[in-house]
Amino acid sequence: AQSVAQPEDQVNVAEGNPLTVKCTYSVSGNPYLFWYVQYPNRGLQFLLKYITGDNLVKGSYGFEAEFNKSQTSFHLKKPSALVSDSALYFCAVRAPSGSARQLTFGSGTQLTVLP
Amino acid sequence: KAGVTQTPRYLIKTRGQQVTLSCSPISGHRSVSWYQQTPGQGLQFLFEYFSETQRNKGNFPGRFSGRQFSNSRSEMNVSTLELGDSALYLCGSSRDRDTYEQYFGPGTRLTVT
Repeated sequence: AQSVAQPEDQVNVAEGNPLTVKCTYSVSGNPYLFWYVQYPNRGLQFLLKYITGDNLVKGSYGFEAEFNKSQTSFHLKKPSALVSDSALYFCAVRAPSGSARQLTFGSGTQLTVLP
Repeated sequence: KAGVTQTPRYLIKTRGQQVTLSCSPISGHRSVSWYQQTPGQGLQFLFEYFSETQRNKGNFPGRFSGRQFSNSRSEMNVSTLELGDSALYLCGSSRDRDTYEQYFGPGTRLTVT
């Protein structure tokens, strides 16, 4: 079975500082990894994905994520946080093959960027 | 291009009633998945549809069902509603089963009283 852990329920960072939202995963085989963001009363918005290739993937709104196979991690990063980045962030994993194509999500991390 | 559309956006039902939620995927997308989001359980997979066939189902009771039409629009139905069914129901669409990312609608907020 696949699983995702987001160890921090809440992350606070000052505007302009770098931010990191942590994610670790467990899946059989090579993982497909994703980050989504959710603003209040909204659905999930796709940020970025890792399928294969470079360990550093770039996504929307200046976000990037680093895939680390040995540590089974996929941390979300941004060099300079904005107040508008404040939202709920979800890491997700999908099995690479087989019938189970669904996403398994982490519990979410509430990011607050302080002005 | 229009995004994923879900209707209605908000719904209030009474215990024991049934409800039907609708999802229209992005034009050209043929795979639709449904997820339930609650504060306690987080985001949980309900089912996946592709080519009008249910391809995968999550660990939910038989009261939860769904279907997909030939135009890829999907509906999910919950019968005999329970208080615990109160949740945000999200629909995600992707071009096909091998397309990696899913794009989500705004969700339907169901409240069961």
